[in-house]
Amino acid sequence: SQQGEEDPQALSIQEGENATMNCSYKTSINNLQWYRQNSGRGLVHLILIRSNEREKHSGRLRVTLDTSKKSSSLLITASRAADTASYFCATDARNQGGKLIFGQGTELSVKP
Amino acid sequence: EAQVTQNPRYLITVTGKKLTVTCSQNMNHEYMSWYRQDPGLGLRQIYYSMNVEVTDKGDVPEGYKVSRKEKRNFPLILESPSPNQTSLYFCASSLSGVSNSPLHFGNGTRLTVT
Repeated sequence: SQQGEEDPQALSIQEGENATMNCSYKTSINNLQWYRQNSGRGLVHLILIRSNEREKHSGRLRVTLDTSKKSSSLLITASRAADTASYFCATDARNQGGKLIFGQGTELSVKP
Repeated sequence: EAQVTQNPRYLITVTGKKLTVTCSQNMNHEYMSWYRQDPGLGLRQIYYSMNVEVTDKGDVPEGYKVSRKEKRNFPLILESPSPNQTSLYFCASSLSGVSNSPLHFGNGTRLTVT
């Protein structure tokens, strides 16, 4: 069962621009997490935002969460070529025990 | 160095030949999980374990087995692999479940079943 769905599926921008990726989910959650994956490698955790939080920052990353709309966004400011990767949201749905369900990801390409 | 180690990184096998993909973490994490990643389908959870001797099915457990006899190891067993199990597999662990702790991922095992 796919809980999170990212939008857009692919995004291409120039270095220095901001990149925004969106995630929608279907059921109530305990938290929502964002991960990054460089081609074929393991995922790396970026940010965890709890259901009672609305916004969280980490360096150039800003995550928002709107539980009424069941959606989240990840903003990367002043993007760099090294930010080129796939970005995934993952949800810890309530009443799902130890399951963390990932969306299909947004493929971000940052051109120098 | 804190890490999740999977072996092997690449594996080519034939239909029906039993195989095991090993996963080990050195962070004393309670929670461990296996995912498979396929184009267009994202990551799908196969099995997870909240602690030693406790395992539960994820979304796509058919054709797989796991065991958690020790805290650090969580092997994935394919008793009779089939071509539809060709995929990129990831093991992950977290300190305690997924509600408060981020997942740490291994580097993946690319399995091809012919």
